[in-house]
Amino acid sequence: DTEVTQTPKHLVMGMTNKKSLKCEQHMGHRAMYWYKQKAKKPPELMFVYSYEKLSINESVPSRFSPECPNSSLLNLHLHALQPEDSALYLCASSQERGVLYEQYFGPGTRLTVT
Amino acid sequence: AQKITQTQPGMFVQEKEAVTLDCTYDTSDPSYGLFWYKQPSSGEMIFLIYQGSYDQQNATEGRYSLNFQKARKSANLVISASQLGDSAMYFCAMRLLTQGGSEKLVFGKGTKLTVNP
Repeated sequence: DTEVTQTPKHLVMGMTNKKSLKCEQHMGHRAMYWYKQKAKKPPELMFVYSYEKLSINESVPSRFSPECPNSSLLNLHLHALQPEDSALYLCASSQERGVLYEQYFGPGTRLTVT
Repeated sequence: AQKITQTQPGMFVQEKEAVTLDCTYDTSDPSYGLFWYKQPSSGEMIFLIYQGSYDQQNATEGRYSLNFQKARKSANLVISASQLGDSAMYFCAMRLLTQGGSEKLVFGKGTKLTVNP
């Protein structure tokens, strides 16, 4: 089973709202990732967690706050977003960090900021 | 510079025919992984096939095969016997470790494949 699940599938939020995106995998993977994808563009890496610790933050604004409560779960907390943050947010997991491991992606959350 | 180039913004193929999607890459790192993903309009990124830089043989997964030419730094995806459900955006990606222990999954801009009945 190579399934990564994400909730919600769609999210509309105002600029003053606080919301969270959730990602879950039960493959025993130790690396988890958040990507942002704008329309007709490839995904852009935001955060990498390895063994539940934040390994990489790709200079993402602080209005995005990741959290890894345990090895199966990854959250992305959103606060005071801007309309330009509207995008598809993809979660991925990998057995380990490293070039030899494939990343499996979830179905994504389509976020619209109004 | 480490990058992936997909020169075909769009490709068309007749159902049941084979199609090749081009991908070239640029890295000086000897250790890297090359991946192809399919992204239908629903948005999910579906892993298709992987080729490691040290792999001697070309990767195959069902109807997908990767034509890996290391000297030319190309990793083309071949889809045999195209099906209508193959219509999607296809991304070539390279995974590598950067200095300082960071890692990156570098994506190309994608190729939109349309399979005609």
